[in-house]
Amino acid sequence: AQTVTQSQPEMSVQEAETVTLSCTYDTSESDYYLFWYKQPPSRQMILVIRQEAYKQQNATENRFSVNFQKAAKSFSLKISDSQLGDAAMYFCAYRLLEYGNKLVFGAGTILRVKS
Amino acid sequence: DTGVSQNPRHKITKRGQNVTFRCDPISEHNRLYWYRQTLGQGPEFLTYFQNEAQLEKSRLLSDRFSAERPKGSFSTLEIQRTEQGDSAMYLCASSSSLEADTQYFGPGTRLTVL
Repeated sequence: AQTVTQSQPEMSVQEAETVTLSCTYDTSESDYYLFWYKQPPSRQMILVIRQEAYKQQNATENRFSVNFQKAAKSFSLKISDSQLGDAAMYFCAYRLLEYGNKLVFGAGTILRVKS
Repeated sequence: DTGVSQNPRHKITKRGQNVTFRCDPISEHNRLYWYRQTLGQGPEFLTYFQNEAQLEKSRLLSDRFSAERPKGSFSTLEIQRTEQGDSAMYLCASSSSLEADTQYFGPGTRLTVL
């Protein structure tokens, strides 16, 4: 079975500090995309960052960056200079290129930001 | 571009009734997806369309569920004879091959079955 595991149900970070959210996944395929989505309390899912598995360089988007370790099947998200607006549920997901377009999501990590 | 929209945002129904949800994707997106999300969990894939063709359906999509995308634009998801276990958030997403099929989500329809 293809699975995504987010081992941290909940994390807290002080405003302006850095936090890392963990994600591991299980697939035997070599071509896929990885994603982090953010879901604030209003419930609209927002794309945070995308990583192509064939790229060795880690993706970055402003204060958000990933640490992609393909051999270890690990895809963590680092949020630098945390802001109150970063408080949300964060979902890790992947999509295989060869078997349709569905996203497979983890169970999520709640991120709380303390002022 | 106004993003993916879904209607209604909330639906309360009694067990046994039929409900229908609508999703309007981002214009020019030829792919459209439905997911179901229960409280505290990640979304689970239900089905996906490329233009008007339904290309994949999850085993989660029982016979009581049907989805259509008749003209390759908006889509509807119908649940017949609703059950309490159908209570969930139903999310729609759309994508374009021009953007590596990155999926953009709508705000969802929250269904409560009494």
